[in-house]
Amino acid sequence: AQSVAQPEDQVNVAEGNPLTVKCTYSVSGNPYLFWYVQYPNRGLQFLLKYITGDNLVKGSYGFEAEFNKSQTSFHLKKPSALVSDSALYFCAVRPGDSNYQLIWGAGTKLIIKP
Amino acid sequence: DAMVIQNPRYQVTQFGKPVTLSCSQTLNHNVMYWYQQKSSQAPKLLFHYYDKDFNNEADTPDNFQSRRPNTSFCFLDIRSPGLGDAAMYLCATGRETRANRNEQFFGPGTRLTVL
Repeated sequence: AQSVAQPEDQVNVAEGNPLTVKCTYSVSGNPYLFWYVQYPNRGLQFLLKYITGDNLVKGSYGFEAEFNKSQTSFHLKKPSALVSDSALYFCAVRPGDSNYQLIWGAGTKLIIKP
Repeated sequence: DAMVIQNPRYQVTQFGKPVTLSCSQTLNHNVMYWYQQKSSQAPKLLFHYYDKDFNNEADTPDNFQSRRPNTSFCFLDIRSPGLGDAAMYLCATGRETRANRNEQFFGPGTRLTVL
């Protein structure tokens, strides 16, 4: 079965420290990989995506993610966390087979403490 | 600004009373999605329109229906809401071809309460 895993329900980081939100996947073909962020009582906002090319992709609000094909991972990173980064983060993967829609991770709650 | 708009933002209905949620977009995207999201869980895809073609997910209850009268608008109809249908309903759009899949743009959601 195709799946996306976000192994941490919650990540706590002090403001100013680097942050990592983990995502691994098991899907067929060459996947499309996405990160979305959701603030309380709001819709999801697109952060960044990997389709092809450079393994390190940069996105909104200073976030970046690294595609690692051998480890089937797409971890979200930011060099210096802000309190305003506190939100729910979802990794989503679209298998290479065009018949599939997005497969979503369970989400990781990111808490940045002042 | 181009965007995805959902109305209303909050909807209260009674058990068994039909309700319609609406979504409109100014992005001119060809694909529109409806998701159900419960208490900070991952969004669950209910169905989507690829252009005019309706695609229902296998596990979407018959109680949920959708209409897309034109490119800009899409509606979610819940024929007989149950208590278990209380959730956030998210509309999303995407500009896609069979060979090229892009990110989805989400509306702010409609929070449905069933009394």
